[in-house]
Amino acid sequence: ETGVTQTPRHLVMGMTNKKSLKCEQHLGHNAMYWYKQSAKKPLELMFVYNFKEQTENNSVPSRFSPECPNSSHLFLHLHTLQPEDSALYLCASSQERAGGITDTQYFGPGTRLTVL
Amino acid sequence: AQKVTQAQTEISVVEKEDVTLDCVYETRDTTYYLFWYKQPPSGELVFLIRRNSFDEQNEISGRYSWNFQKSTSSFNFTITASQVVDSAVYFCALSPLGSNYQLIWGAGTKLIIKP
Repeated sequence: ETGVTQTPRHLVMGMTNKKSLKCEQHLGHNAMYWYKQSAKKPLELMFVYNFKEQTENNSVPSRFSPECPNSSHLFLHLHTLQPEDSALYLCASSQERAGGITDTQYFGPGTRLTVL
Repeated sequence: AQKVTQAQTEISVVEKEDVTLDCVYETRDTTYYLFWYKQPPSGELVFLIRRNSFDEQNEISGRYSWNFQKSTSSFNFTITASQVVDSAVYFCALSPLGSNYQLIWGAGTKLIIKP
């Protein structure tokens, strides 16, 4: 496999379910990201992990819980979601360097989540 | 304020026409990157180009070309001889120095190429 992969590609869940989204990057990068893309809204950054440490959490509700066990894998654990959480969830990775300037982010195909 | 504006919400052209997607950005930083991404209906964001703020040379890649003008804070994208496969949403993004890994995204331009 090459690039950034995400599973599952589609997920339908009830509001009381618990599920997890998985992302894996094969690019040797040291930073990984979760984004949410809702219809007719800008792309929203949810979480950033750099060298496995969470560096950003953009006021995301606690029903979304990220996990980064190593620099190649990123999970998003979901529980008691709301219908408004239905969206496309995109994972990305990049190779970050000193200076804080973000380099090119490479994206996975996304997980289309529907919450009933 | 740091901001990216893609004023064209949707553009529709007939195949083989040339089309230009506009991107205007705001930043006080002198060091930054600019990006273009393509999002086809499948959903994946595909990286197209990265431009360093110190490199104002225009870039051409096949039918794609980019015009970077710091004087007008614009980074426009032109597709020559458009094809149906170019139909997608195109996003422009800014990464200023000290952005702390956050890209500043434009709202995107939906491009429809009709056969």
